[in-house]
Amino acid sequence: NAGVTQTPKFRVLKTGQSMTLLCAQDMNHEYMYWYRQDPGMGLRLIHYSVGEGTTAKGEVPDGYNVSRLKKQNFLLGLESAAPSQTSVYFCASSQRPGTPWGYEQYFGPGTRLTVT
Amino acid sequence: AQKITQTQPGMFVQEKEAVTLDCTYDTSDPSYGLFWYKQPSSGEMIFLIYQGSYDQQNATEGRYSLNFQKARKSANLVISASQLGDSAMYFCAMREGLDSSYKLIFGSGTRLLVRP
Repeated sequence: NAGVTQTPKFRVLKTGQSMTLLCAQDMNHEYMYWYRQDPGMGLRLIHYSVGEGTTAKGEVPDGYNVSRLKKQNFLLGLESAAPSQTSVYFCASSQRPGTPWGYEQYFGPGTRLTVT
Repeated sequence: AQKITQTQPGMFVQEKEAVTLDCTYDTSDPSYGLFWYKQPSSGEMIFLIYQGSYDQQNATEGRYSLNFQKARKSANLVISASQLGDSAMYFCAMREGLDSSYKLIFGSGTRLLVRP
């Protein structure tokens, strides 16, 4: 049981390049989230998904796109990277709230992205 | 307005002593949950403790307890018998029941350093 995994762990991009971050969970969780963490700050929500085939915007969605084609995977895309997107990206998942243990979000190890 | 406020950017505590990390929150939602996460230097987010707004008793998990004062809108984390391994960033977070995303809203964190 690996929990939540993220690929890659580190990445350096040049301005204007694109990339996709992969999040995978093996806990059969309904909800999945992408957060970013900037230095000295807490995590902020980029996009989230409440089930396979659904996505929605969070607090800071500009410059990112997401897809949830399979229940266990949640992809975060940067179409044209900018230095302002230099951050640590965390994926998280949870059971549907209201179910037993539905309150806790399980986090992946993070992806450190630098855009030069 | 800030929904989660952590006023202590950094704290020191002597090993084996207790320490309180402050967290205040702002919500008009009667149903909400409060969380504390630990982020060691390795970067992962570790769930510590959860308090629901309707819970009558303060949550406890081993050496962690949450001092929940609903009227004052505070949810302070108390760590008893501090250990060197407790040195980390600590984040308070809130989830609001009326928010269908059930996202977590994070504070800016408190860096705790345990002195030997």
